[in-house]
Amino acid sequence: EDQVTQSPEALRLQEGESSSLNCSYTVSGLRGLFWYRQDPGKGPEFLFTLYSAGEEKEKERLKATLTKKESFLHITAPKPEDSATYLCAVRAGTALIFGKGTTLSVSS
Amino acid sequence: NAGVTQTPKFQVLKTGQSMTLQCAQDMNHNSMYWYRQDPGMGLRLIYYSASEGTTDKGEVPNGYNVSRLNKREFSLRLESAAPSQTSVYFCASSRRDRGANTEAFFGQGTRLTVV
Repeated sequence: EDQVTQSPEALRLQEGESSSLNCSYTVSGLRGLFWYRQDPGKGPEFLFTLYSAGEEKEKERLKATLTKKESFLHITAPKPEDSATYLCAVRAGTALIFGKGTTLSVSS
Repeated sequence: NAGVTQTPKFQVLKTGQSMTLQCAQDMNHNSMYWYRQDPGMGLRLIYYSASEGTTDKGEVPNGYNVSRLNKREFSLRLESAAPSQTSVYFCASSRRDRGANTEAFFGQGTRLTVV
């Protein structure tokens, strides 16, 4: 069964304290792993797509990496505006299967 | 850019009432989706449409019907609303590249409460 598990469920950081979010997946034939950011009361906002093990993508303070079994979203020197829920999803067949997300809180 | 537009943004229904959630995208995407998001459950696929005139069931289709009216519009209908359908509903769309769907773009959601 295709499955996505994210950890931790919640993460509290001080401003400037770097950390990583984990996304473990099992899927028959990965056709893309996707990271999204979701702010309260809003729809998910696309961040990155990764297709193959070893691939990396960066955007400002965020860097996503991919192995054959998991993906990491590294957050370097986070700011309070990085506070949000981060969702991981894999392409299985025609649609996306989502994890339950990691809620990140960054305090100043 | 409008992207994916959903209406209404909020709705309260009584048990047994019917309603249609509307979704339109202006990105010329072929694929469109309806998801629901519940606390502790994450996003779950209700229905999917690969192109105008085609629809497929997702993980949780019971109690819902969909219509892909044209390339831009994909509606979700609740024929007889139940409290278990209280949720936040998201419409999304994606383009196809070499036969595979790329990243999906989401609307702002419809918050539905069934009392």
